[in-house]
Amino acid sequence: DAKTTQPTSMDCAEGRAANLPCNHSTISGNEYVYWYRQIHSQGPQYIIHGLKNNETNEMASLIITEDRKSSTLILPHATLRDTAVYYCIVVKYSGAGSYQLTFGKGTKLSVIP
Amino acid sequence: DADVTQTPRNRITKTGKRIMLECSQTKGHDRMYWYRQDPGLGLQLIYYSFDVKDINKGEISDGYSVSRQAQAKFSLSLESAIPNQTALYFCATSGSANTGELFFGEGSRLTVL
Repeated sequence: DAKTTQPTSMDCAEGRAANLPCNHSTISGNEYVYWYRQIHSQGPQYIIHGLKNNETNEMASLIITEDRKSSTLILPHATLRDTAVYYCIVVKYSGAGSYQLTFGKGTKLSVIP
Repeated sequence: DADVTQTPRNRITKTGKRIMLECSQTKGHDRMYWYRQDPGLGLQLIYYSFDVKDINKGEISDGYSVSRQAQAKFSLSLESAIPNQTALYFCATSGSANTGELFFGEGSRLTVL
């Protein structure tokens, strides 16, 4: 599976957009990009995923570059409750439908009042 | 009530003791997982199960065993706990083959003295 590289930490002012980058330069054509977040020591929470096209849901937007070697998670109006560790994960759906999610260290996002 | 429930939430035990962490889910999902998280690190997959008759080792299965008692129940055992198994343990579920969307429990914090 492709590995991902994320900055260790980032700060964002409350109310501003938070843009979290992720590099996955070895991603293959059948691998998806998933984003999760973990608030304090709670269980990780799914945010969004995509393959090629940009995606948006009620939580965030995901921008994937045309070559798919990097992506950006956008929280449009960050709040203090968005302070968390954000994980970018590459997922392959195998022919048998089996897969494993590999969680790296993620990016610690701190939203500042 | 939580969709994925873990018990106990906190446990302190001594080296050599047998420990069982239990997970139950009300989501009706076939797939269940156990992850371990050490401080400041991402999650590592211990075991996963795609149905009641299917058990698979993850990245770090040594020293652990699991039992899938029913579709809704998946327990993790430490036959003889050791201090380096002190960690936060998460159970997760997913509902279908081609998805990387996992639903996590709130975690079980285990301390082995």
